[in-house]
Amino acid sequence: AQKITQTQPGMFVQEKEAVTLDCTYDTSDQSYGLFWYKQPSSGEMIFLIYQGSYDEQNATEGRYSLNFQKARKSANLVISASQLGDSAMYFCAMREDPNTGNQFYFGTGTSLTVIP
Amino acid sequence: KAGVTQTPRYLIKTRGQQVTLSCSPISGHRSVSWYQQTPGQGLQFLFEYFSETQRNKGNFPGRFSGRQFSNSRSEMNVSTLELGDSALYLCASRALAGAETQYFGPGTRLLVL
Repeated sequence: AQKITQTQPGMFVQEKEAVTLDCTYDTSDQSYGLFWYKQPSSGEMIFLIYQGSYDEQNATEGRYSLNFQKARKSANLVISASQLGDSAMYFCAMREDPNTGNQFYFGTGTSLTVIP
Repeated sequence: KAGVTQTPRYLIKTRGQQVTLSCSPISGHRSVSWYQQTPGQGLQFLFEYFSETQRNKGNFPGRFSGRQFSNSRSEMNVSTLELGDSALYLCASRALAGAETQYFGPGTRLLVL
């Protein structure tokens, strides 16, 4: 089974609008971390936001927020006030319990295009 | 603080050759992980090193190997290159093996002809 599932291969959003990128995960660990990375066409993976499994509040970093629904095992990324520079691939990732593996798992990514 | 650096950035090799890629983590970071990214397979975990020891290994053949030096710099070696090894190879570092966030370098684009 896939550890991380991103069901939206491509998304379009109007500049200045908000957009939600979906991510669901699969783990039996109680302790895990969830991450979102942005990959522009240059190739570098840029860390955006982190949510720990025990964090009760949704993580926020500037225009990025992570909508964490633990019971549904979802960790959607919300980008508010989209900018042209937000056009990129976005990857959801999970790090399982360090005591059981500590490996990072990545989804297949969502290509976001911001339209002027 | 300088970010993760990878050298070389671009590389062209022919089948059967071997290649060594280098990664210097963020200063103070002791864990280095390697990933292979291809359009068909996406981002796949190769291995992770911490304090010169391999901690985790992905599902890749033995042609893929790595090591980490005492200064935390890491190298990845691919022997007997195949066409399918053409990919973007990404290195990521984190402060400790259990640290939450890993930071990526710009990657090495390898083309095998």
